[in-house]
Amino acid sequence: NAGVTQTPKFQVLKTGQSMTLQCAQDMNHEYMSWYRQDPGMGLRLIHYSVGAGITDQGEVPNGYNVSRSTTEDFPLRLLSAAPSQTSVYFCASSQGLGNSPLHFGNGTRLTVT
Amino acid sequence: GNSVTQMEGPVTLSEEAFLTINCTYTATGYPSLFWYVQYPGEGLQLLLKATKADDKGSNKGFEATYRKETTSFHLEKGSVQVSDSAVYFCAYNYGGSQGNLIFGKGTKLSVKP
Repeated sequence: NAGVTQTPKFQVLKTGQSMTLQCAQDMNHEYMSWYRQDPGMGLRLIHYSVGAGITDQGEVPNGYNVSRSTTEDFPLRLLSAAPSQTSVYFCASSQGLGNSPLHFGNGTRLTVT
Repeated sequence: GNSVTQMEGPVTLSEEAFLTINCTYTATGYPSLFWYVQYPGEGLQLLLKATKADDKGSNKGFEATYRKETTSFHLEKGSVQVSDSAVYFCAYNYGGSQGNLIFGKGTKLSVKP
């Protein structure tokens, strides 16, 4: 039972490079989201999706793009990496109801130099 | 605005000590409340939840009671173990059917043998 799978686990980028963080879930969850975790800041919502073809911005969306072409996948794209995007990124999914818990992946640690 | 405030850490306890981690929230209506735990190198996982006032969530010896009158959801455990060392996050759902969670900044717990 894989749950939420994120790749890669670690990534180092130079300023200005682009890349895609992958996220896949096998629980047929409609809701998926991306958070970033920074020391002293907790988790902040970047983007989320309530179903295939539907995405919306969270608290800190600038510099990131998302798409949701299938229920299973929700990739996060960094268009032009900046040192301020150095963080740990978590993908999560849920059934999408108000009392449904989020299921998290193990995270991607990104460093931008 | 919507927010979650939890006690700052780190919290260091001896094994078998009593644990309390305070959490208060600012929200309208009746959100669902959650505690998540993050072990080193892993993603967050649900520890317990409560979906209405006066509900008590419990799991692995941890408990938290949904107090609407004080907008609080404090986490307690009567006797902590070394294996409880982790970061604990309080969260609530504000988006109804969307599944979005607002997280506190996390409290790091270290339990010494």
